[in-house]
Amino acid sequence: TQTVSQSDAHVTVFEGDSVELRCNYSYGGSIYLSWYIQHHGRGLQFLLKYYSGNPVVQGVNGFEAEFSKSDSSFHLRKASVHWSDSAVYFCAVSARANTGKLTFGDGTVLTVKP
Amino acid sequence: DAGVTQTPRHEVAEKGQTIILKCEPVSGHNDLFWYRQTKIQGLELLSYFRSKSLMEDGGAFKDRFKAEMLNSSFSTLKIQPTEPKDSAVYLCASSLTGNNQAPLFGEGTRLSVL
Repeated sequence: TQTVSQSDAHVTVFEGDSVELRCNYSYGGSIYLSWYIQHHGRGLQFLLKYYSGNPVVQGVNGFEAEFSKSDSSFHLRKASVHWSDSAVYFCAVSARANTGKLTFGDGTVLTVKP
Repeated sequence: DAGVTQTPRHEVAEKGQTIILKCEPVSGHNDLFWYRQTKIQGLELLSYFRSKSLMEDGGAFKDRFKAEMLNSSFSTLKIQPTEPKDSAVYLCASSLTGNNQAPLFGEGTRLSVL
């Protein structure tokens, strides 16, 4: 059984600030981690993924995430946020053998104030 | 390339009705997933197809939910009979097996059951 925990339900920052959205997981096998963004009324858009290699992965729109096996974490970061980054962010885990069968966290609502 | 297409975008049903949601995966993708999104339960996997074969049909949703994939480019999710608790956003996603590829999601169908 795999679980995903996103400890912050809401995060509010100002435009130009840096932000980190936290994700912790539990899973015993070969893991595949991803982040998705969901704007209001839209579907989920893929941001980035990790399955092996360099623990820091780059995604779209300046997002990056760092995998830590020791901390069981996959936190998402952005150095300078824009108002258009306001959305709900979901962390997801799956087995490497079936990357589409995702277990999602509850999501973090990011609000970027002007 | 066309993404995942879901129709309709919005559906309103009376309790007890039968509704059918439709999904066209990305051309060439052979894995297809149906997820349900609610505020309380978050994102839950309903069904999963690999090369048109039903691999998982989400135990808790078995009795009134039926997903089918009669050809590789079209899937349906039937809910019969609908209940108010089925009000949710239904998301379809597709991916290519064994490609370390994160699934791509459609825009979803928002179902309201009165």
